[in-house]
Amino acid sequence: AQTVTQSQPEMSVQEAETVTLSCTYDTSENNYYLFWYKQPPSRQMILVIRQEAYKQQNATENRFSVNFQKAAKSFSLKISDSQLGDTAMYFCAFMKAPQGGSEKLVFGKGTKLTVNP
Amino acid sequence: DTGVSQNPRHKITKRGQNVTFRCDPISEHNRLYWYRQTLGQGPEFLTYFQNEAQLEKSRLLSDRFSAERPKGSFSTLEIQRTEQGDSAMYLCASSFSGTGYNEQFFGPGTRLTVL
Repeated sequence: AQTVTQSQPEMSVQEAETVTLSCTYDTSENNYYLFWYKQPPSRQMILVIRQEAYKQQNATENRFSVNFQKAAKSFSLKISDSQLGDTAMYFCAFMKAPQGGSEKLVFGKGTKLTVNP
Repeated sequence: DTGVSQNPRHKITKRGQNVTFRCDPISEHNRLYWYRQTLGQGPEFLTYFQNEAQLEKSRLLSDRFSAERPKGSFSTLEIQRTEQGDSAMYLCASSFSGTGYNEQFFGPGTRLTVL
């Protein structure tokens, strides 16, 4: 079974600064995807960024980037130039590579990020 | 299309009552997932449909829980004889099954409170 661990229950950052959220995972799979999802207060979860395990290059999406260390089973999210709208719960998630069956997501417990003005 | 919708958004019930939630996925999506999120936890997988077929159920889905997707479109999740431990946010997600990765799009959730 796969597990995802987020060791930072809460974090805060000043607007315009950079913050890094940590995530580690455990799996015996070789092909998989890792994700960061954002869940703003009282709003639905949205995908922030995705990383395929077979890709060595770290994924980036505008101000969001990841540091994927496959051997260490580590997958951190860096948010640059933090904005007030980044305030949310952030979940790290794992999915086995699609093989025709369920593509269920396994989530960590989340990190509550607050961006302060 | 405005995305995945869930109704009701909030439900308060007394212990022992039955409740039913509805999820309307994005129209062309043939896969539908139910997750449960308790306070302080990340979402946990409950069950998954491809079209109208329920193909996987988590052991979290006790006998009191039943899910259907009768015409491969909307889905319902029913909880019978609710218990206080059922209090949680119930999330629905949908995706289109193509080759490779298929993004799951989440609904806003139904928050259940069992008194």
